[in-house]
Amino acid sequence: EAGVAQSPRYKIIEKRQSVAFWCNPISGHATLYWYQQILGQGPKLLIQFQNNGVVDDSQLPKDRFSAERLKGVDSTLKIQPAKLEDSAVYLCASSPRQGSALHFGNGTRLTVT
Amino acid sequence: LAKTTQPISMDSYEGQEVNITCSHNNIATNDYITWYQQFPSQGPRFIIQGYKTKVTNEVASLFIPADRKSSTLSLPRVSLSDTAVYYCLVGDMLSFGNEKLTFGTGTRLTIIP
Repeated sequence: EAGVAQSPRYKIIEKRQSVAFWCNPISGHATLYWYQQILGQGPKLLIQFQNNGVVDDSQLPKDRFSAERLKGVDSTLKIQPAKLEDSAVYLCASSPRQGSALHFGNGTRLTVT
Repeated sequence: LAKTTQPISMDSYEGQEVNITCSHNNIATNDYITWYQQFPSQGPRFIIQGYKTKVTNEVASLFIPADRKSSTLSLPRVSLSDTAVYYCLVGDMLSFGNEKLTFGTGTRLTIIP
């Protein structure tokens, strides 16, 4: 089966600019997650979707981050405006159902200058 | 949320068995224990999941004592390709929306030729 696809692979922007990341989960996977991984740290959950509804966004900085999952398939994560501390790898993961193993994409590496 | 504690790093020689222990003293009744492996520039990859006693699959074994306050990931006969960061996660897999899958800083395993 095809894995979780993410794009772009790399992105460099200046602070205060906006950026968007795209994720295409594994076909049929109902649950989708966005994680932020800062260099040297473990991934931090930003938001979890079940189909196209938000299950948990308690750690999403909502003043600048937004995410949506249209039609319960693809998802986009947006940052506007970006700050230097947003430099990180943004990982998307999906799973077929609650409690199943997560399948991760290879992430988008964001550098904010 | 059950917090996990792992060694920051470990070294081992090729061909040896490696055991990585994770402490989770306040694990809850519905919490499962899951281990992921992460290589540089890739997303984490599921290794194994368990609730109690012992679980074995084609790549690893997971040992969980009766009190479930710790768990040990066992990798048999490691090779250089097992050099990676290993994460122990504890999460509620039974209550919808309560997974709260939180990654710690992980254990950086280095295999020496």
